[in-house]
Amino acid sequence: AQRVTQPEKLLSVFKGAPVELKCNYSYSGSPELFWYVQYSRQRLQLLLRHISRESIKGFTADLNKGETSFHLKKPFAQEEDSAMYYCALGVRAAGNKLTFGGGTRVLVKP
Amino acid sequence: DTAVSQTPKYLVTQMGNDKSIKCEQNLGHDTMYWYKQDSKKFLKIMFSYNNKELIINETVPNRFSPKSPDKAHLNLHINSLELGDSAVYFCASSQGQGGDTQYFGPGTRLTVL
Repeated sequence: AQRVTQPEKLLSVFKGAPVELKCNYSYSGSPELFWYVQYSRQRLQLLLRHISRESIKGFTADLNKGETSFHLKKPFAQEEDSAMYYCALGVRAAGNKLTFGGGTRVLVKP
Repeated sequence: DTAVSQTPKYLVTQMGNDKSIKCEQNLGHDTMYWYKQDSKKFLKIMFSYNNKELIINETVPNRFSPKSPDKAHLNLHINSLELGDSAVYFCASSQGQGGDTQYFGPGTRLTVL
């Protein structure tokens, strides 16, 4: 069975500081990893996915299969980055089921 | 223009009642999902349908019954509501099943009194 762990429930950083959200997964097959974000009073939306290898809103995430991690990073946090972030593992063989981590709330202070 | 919509947005009801939540997507996607987000913000898949066919059915009480009249709609009917059913329910859709990006609805906050 697949599992996603986000060890930090809350990350509080000052504006302009770097921020890193940790995500570790457990899955024996070839994983599809995603980061979803939920801003206050908004719907859950895709931030980025590992196969795209792109930077969205200054965020990047690298899939490390050796460490089974997909940490999300941004070098300079902005106040508008304050939100709930979810790491998710997609399994093609299971009908594209997404298994979510518990989420990390990011609070960027001015 | 809303891609994935849900109604109602809020639902407050008494224990034992039966209620439905509706979901519609206008993205032309083949696959739709229901997720439950509990009070600790933990998100978990409940069901998935592809072209009106049930694909994923996680360990969910059989009081929950999804219905897909066509591939643009996936409704969730809940019988004999219990206090523990209080949560936010999210509908989502994706083009296919192969690791495609899922697009989420705004959520329905269900409160069972």
